[in-house]
Amino acid sequence: DAEITQSPRHKITETGRQVTLACHQTWNHNNMFWYRQDLGHGLRLIHYSYGVQDTNKGEVSDGYSVSRSNTEDLPLTLESAASSQTSVYFCASSERPAGELFFGEGSRLTVL
Amino acid sequence: AQSVTQLDSQVPVFEEAPVELRCNYSSSVSVYLFWYVQYPNQGLQLLLKYLSGSTLVKGINGFEAEFNKSQTSFHLRKPSVHISDTAEYFCAVSDDYKLSFGAGTTVTVRA
Repeated sequence: DAEITQSPRHKITETGRQVTLACHQTWNHNNMFWYRQDLGHGLRLIHYSYGVQDTNKGEVSDGYSVSRSNTEDLPLTLESAASSQTSVYFCASSERPAGELFFGEGSRLTVL
Repeated sequence: AQSVTQLDSQVPVFEEAPVELRCNYSSSVSVYLFWYVQYPNQGLQLLLKYLSGSTLVKGINGFEAEFNKSQTSFHLRKPSVHISDTAEYFCAVSDDYKLSFGAGTTVTVRA
């Protein structure tokens, strides 16, 4: 069965360190997304990609970057982690740009 | 621009009672509507979606939602809930270019 996997599922890091969260999907979807989930805010879009070599900023992109070198992977990098980036991060993919999303299990990041 | 408002942040309900989760949206164009469910410590999964056609949409686990264009609403209902329905529920709206989520409604089902 096709799936979308995230790693690590849990990570604790220190302020100022670089962190990369991996996302790998086997749906063969062109469209991939990174969201963060915080209490009271629902899901907020960080970055998204409509295909290889395409990346776009979402509504809360400051301090984050992504790269898309193949269809399957969209890693999310925090260049210099800040305590405000403590959150649960979800990767998702879709067949259409704004269609049904298929989500990973989430990565819980704590920045101390 | 579009936005989604989920009118209740928390909904406590007794087992076997009905539940309704309210969702309103604003958009200047035709939209597609979704409800997602997130069980504890899991990712989100699709409950149901409205793309076109009948305004009453049936989803998984006995849930249904009704699209009301004049009231710009897409309320989610279940006639009889189970303990296993305890979860967070998200309404989302898409205009085919951008998907926006509501803040979520936490449903807690008690015996």
